[in-house]
Amino acid sequence: DQQVKQNSPSLSVQEGRISILNCDYTNSMFDYFLWYKKYPAEGPTFLISISSIKDKNEDGRFTVFLNKSAKHLSLHIVPSQPGDSAVYFCAASASNAGNMLTFGGGTRLMVKP
Amino acid sequence: NAGVMQNPRHLVRRRGQEARLRCSPMKGHSHVYWYRQLPEEGLKFMVYLQKENIIDESGMPKERFSAEFPKEGPSILRIQQVVRGDSAAYFCASSMFWGSENEQFFGPGTRLTVL
Repeated sequence: DQQVKQNSPSLSVQEGRISILNCDYTNSMFDYFLWYKKYPAEGPTFLISISSIKDKNEDGRFTVFLNKSAKHLSLHIVPSQPGDSAVYFCAASASNAGNMLTFGGGTRLMVKP
Repeated sequence: NAGVMQNPRHLVRRRGQEARLRCSPMKGHSHVYWYRQLPEEGLKFMVYLQKENIIDESGMPKERFSAEFPKEGPSILRIQQVVRGDSAAYFCASSMFWGSENEQFFGPGTRLTVL
């Protein structure tokens, strides 16, 4: 039973355009959500997070939107750059379940020059 | 300011051997987590430890796997009598505080290959 799902295994975007990566979850107890970026042969790197009390968090070119009623979050990258090409993982945690992160399967983003 | 360190980066074992994976958390971090990533999948939580304590091992296989985080030294993930299905990337993460609103910082991973 996948509690966090990223339904698009890959996404291709032109440099300078917006990249939108989506993530759905089923566990209503999740109250904190994170996005990680991963290059091959490296560990995930934290990008941005959002608490369930917010619906938007912005950090430079990265914005995360949370729609609690739809149990959906998205990561927007604008403008996209070739260096953004990587696998992006959505993760969630629940304050009543300690610190464990539940990850989605990842979306491979390719930004074309 | 060293990040999370893991060694070895690559480990090859034959079936039946033991694998020991080491993780040194970021300076000042006392919370350590182990995750496993199978090919083409996301990371799956295995175990959460603080110094000398296992806090949550709900993701650990019941047999052959164990973890520790001693008072001194790195955290160790130990896999006894490895099988081919144990081949995966094993990531360690650390955090400074307890609680869900708490970024975990990941190491580069150990890629275990079981022949």
